[in-house]
Amino acid sequence: NAGVTQTPKFRILKIGQSMTLQCAQDMNHNYMYWYRQDPGMGLKLIYYSVGAGITDKGEVPNGYNVSRSTTEDFPLRLELAAPSQTSVYFCASSYGSPPGYTFGSGTRLTVV
Amino acid sequence: AQRVTQPEKLLSVFKGAPVELKCNYSYSGSPELFWYVQYSRQRLQLLLRHISRESIKGFTADLNKGETSFHLKKPFAQEEDSAMYYCALKGAGGTSYGKLTFGQGTILTVHP
Repeated sequence: NAGVTQTPKFRILKIGQSMTLQCAQDMNHNYMYWYRQDPGMGLKLIYYSVGAGITDKGEVPNGYNVSRSTTEDFPLRLELAAPSQTSVYFCASSYGSPPGYTFGSGTRLTVV
Repeated sequence: AQRVTQPEKLLSVFKGAPVELKCNYSYSGSPELFWYVQYSRQRLQLLLRHISRESIKGFTADLNKGETSFHLKKPFAQEEDSAMYYCALKGAGGTSYGKLTFGQGTILTVHP
């Protein structure tokens, strides 16, 4: 049982490049989330999804896009990378409420 | 709006000493509070939730609605408790969709 799998673990991007952070879960969780973790700032919610085909913005969505075509996958897209997007990105999933989130191992992204 | 504040970015104690990680929240309704922990090179994981009134790894946390606090306590810290700790809040109501608001995090270091 893999839980929540994020790829890649590390990535360096140049300013203006694009990339997709992958997130997949095999627990049949309906809720999925993307957070970014910045030093001293905690975790900020970027986007979330309550089920396939349904996504919504979180606290810091600018510069990102998501899709949820299946229950299992919730990729995060960066179209034009900026240095401000240097961060550690965490994907999480949960089923029902209250949320005992299952987190992925994170993707460390550096934009130079 | 809901907010979680962890006033201490860093907290250092010696092994065997009591430890208290502070968490204050702002929310107009009845919140659900959680503590998450991230050990070195590991994923974020749920430590405990207030509705369970449980003790995990010797840690306890009591929700104080009058002081809007959910401090995490342990009477005798161990070196293996060294980690990043996040306090998190989930608002009640159907539109919250399980979203958690995290505090800024506290890095706990337990010295031998």
